Amino acid sequence: AQKITQTQPGMFVQEKEAVTLDCTYDTSDQSYGLFWYKQPSSGEMIFLIYQGSYDEQNATEGRYSLNFQKARKSANLVISASQLGDSAMYFCAMRELLFSGGYNKLIFGAGTRLAVHP
Amino acid sequence: EPEVTQTPSHQVTQMGQEVILRCVPISNHLYFYWYRQILGQKVEFLVSFYNNEISEKSEIFDDQFSVERPDGSNFTLKIRSTKLEDSAMYFCASSRGQGSSPLHFGNGTRLTVT
Repeated sequence: AQKITQTQPGMFVQEKEAVTLDCTYDTSDQSYGLFWYKQPSSGEMIFLIYQGSYDEQNATEGRYSLNFQKARKSANLVISASQLGDSAMYFCAMRELLFSGGYNKLIFGAGTRLAVHP
Repeated sequence: EPEVTQTPSHQVTQMGQEVILRCVPISNHLYFYWYRQILGQKVEFLVSFYNNEISEKSEIFDDQFSVERPDGSNFTLKIRSTKLEDSAMYFCASSRGQGSSPLHFGNGTRLTVT
């Protein structure tokens, strides 16, 4: 069974600093995808970045990058140059890619609440 | 940019009543989902829907729940005989495909059962 672990319930960072949000996962599948979502206090879920298990390069998307260590089964989100608007809940999620081409759900971790201080 | 829209944004209902939560997924998306989030807690998968049928459902999604795509645009979640513990934020999501396609979420419907 899939499992996503986010061990940091809360983090804080100074504005303009970088911060790393941890995510480890457990799967027996070789093919899977990892996603990060941001949930501001307004409640919506915003897709940030995706990493496939076979991707050799770490994913990057603007100020977001993913530190993917497959052997350690970790997919940490790095936010560079933090801004006040980055204060939000961040969720790591995983989806297993089925060889059958069947459907697969996204499973979420418990989330990390990030506070950016001026 | 196209987005998933959900109505209403907030629904208050009495215990035992039926509610229908509505969603309009992104038009060229093929896979549809409902998730729920009890306040401050994890985002939990309820059900996925593809090709006019349920493709997967969680243990939460029991006979109290049903989904429907009544026309080419709407996707609904019906909760029968609501209970206090059904109070949560319900998110609809859609994706263009599987695998690397991200889920795009609506802004959610906050359901309060009194």
